[in-house]
Amino acid sequence: DGGITQSPKYLFRKEGQNVTLSCEQNLNHDAMYWYRQDPGQGLRLIYYSQIVNDFQKGDIAEGYSVSREKKESFPLTVTSAQKNPTAFYLCASSKSSYNEQFFGPGTRLTVL
Amino acid sequence: GESVGLHLPTLSVQEGDNSIINCAYSNSASDYFIWYKQESGKGPQFIIDIRSNMDKRQGQRVTVLLNKTVKHLSLQIAATQPGDSAVYFCAENGPGTGGFKTIFGAGTRLFVKA
Repeated sequence: DGGITQSPKYLFRKEGQNVTLSCEQNLNHDAMYWYRQDPGQGLRLIYYSQIVNDFQKGDIAEGYSVSREKKESFPLTVTSAQKNPTAFYLCASSKSSYNEQFFGPGTRLTVL
Repeated sequence: GESVGLHLPTLSVQEGDNSIINCAYSNSASDYFIWYKQESGKGPQFIIDIRSNMDKRQGQRVTVLLNKTVKHLSLQIAATQPGDSAVYFCAENGPGTGGFKTIFGAGTRLFVKA
């Protein structure tokens, strides 16, 4: 099955800890994205990558970091510098930045 | 802290009626538009797209209309079903810093009454 996966589905962390969210795709897509979604809100872009070994900041990158060492993988680290990290995090991929995005199931992060 | 709660515009329709969801986009240079459907607790799913050289495109039970003059996009769902209840997002793609950029709208929540 081709698709995009995120793990875990639910994640709990203590305040002050860094946490890394996984995102993997086997669609052979060049572009990958991370979004944050708060309750009743739209999607806000955190980081995106148009090609392996390259990534760009989105609208709300502060307190987050990413890497793109492999085409299939685009992990997101939520650092302790992120002031309000509790949210639903969505990863997506697309053939290029000019094609529709395919979304993963999301990770709901709760910081206690 | 951030405010929480339901800030989304809401559309309530009777099962079997047609639904029209509207979206105003911001960048006159945007040339590719997409509608997504998001069910509760899941990631958004692609519904239909349209390029700027078209003003209408039809899919199965869905039609997207594009009016570039007023920067307006609409999604029409025919014979709305309970399974259509979800949040619908429009997205615009166009030139941005570092290449093409996708901007998502705030979303509209569709309730279908049985």
